[in-house]
Amino acid sequence: AQSVTQLGSHVSVSEGALVLLRCNYSSSVPPYLFWYVQYPNQGLQLLLKYTSAATLVKGINGFEAEFKKSETSFHLTKPSAHMSDAAEYFCAVSGAYSGGYQKVTFGIGTKLQVIP
Amino acid sequence: GAVVSQHPSWVICKSGTSVKIECRSLDFQATTMFWYRQFPKQSLMLMATSNEGSKATYEQGVEKDKFLINHASLTLSTLTVTSAHPEDSSFYICSARKYRGGTETQYFGPGTRLLVL
Repeated sequence: AQSVTQLGSHVSVSEGALVLLRCNYSSSVPPYLFWYVQYPNQGLQLLLKYTSAATLVKGINGFEAEFKKSETSFHLTKPSAHMSDAAEYFCAVSGAYSGGYQKVTFGIGTKLQVIP
Repeated sequence: GAVVSQHPSWVICKSGTSVKIECRSLDFQATTMFWYRQFPKQSLMLMATSNEGSKATYEQGVEKDKFLINHASLTLSTLTVTSAHPEDSSFYICSARKYRGGTETQYFGPGTRLLVL
């Protein structure tokens, strides 16, 4: 079994401030973890993924996330928010096989608002 | 790269008609594609797994006769919403699975917004 909890359905930050979006996971097997971003009326774009290599993962657009096994967390950060970062962010976990493939489980999403 | 397209991006139809949505992996082959449904302000809900050359696997509670899935080739899966009703109005998103180095990553299409009148 696997699940994802995203703390905070809405997060507001000022432009230039630190972005921190929280994600905790549970998994019965070593997990693969993902962060996706969704802009209005669009599909999901992969920001970054953790696949059991380096625990600090760097992604696109200046985002990074750190895998902390002891805390079962995979929080997403960006040092300085930009207006274009306003979007919805989904954390996802996979790893457990079901029916021959790794099913991905998504969190409920966190909507990031950037205030000028 | 890993690009997935969907067509159409928007569709409006009358109640009772059928609507076909295409999902294509443009620069890689995908033996497995996934269809999701997203309600407003909610996360993605997996509807079914589309397997090339075999029947789709549906999640619990998803009517297979209503949501017909055909994975005709390694780059194309289609979702047909049959006899659509207003409650089928939603944002449908597909993804294609890319397997590399022991890791699976899903790449998503841009989504299709369906409005049934």
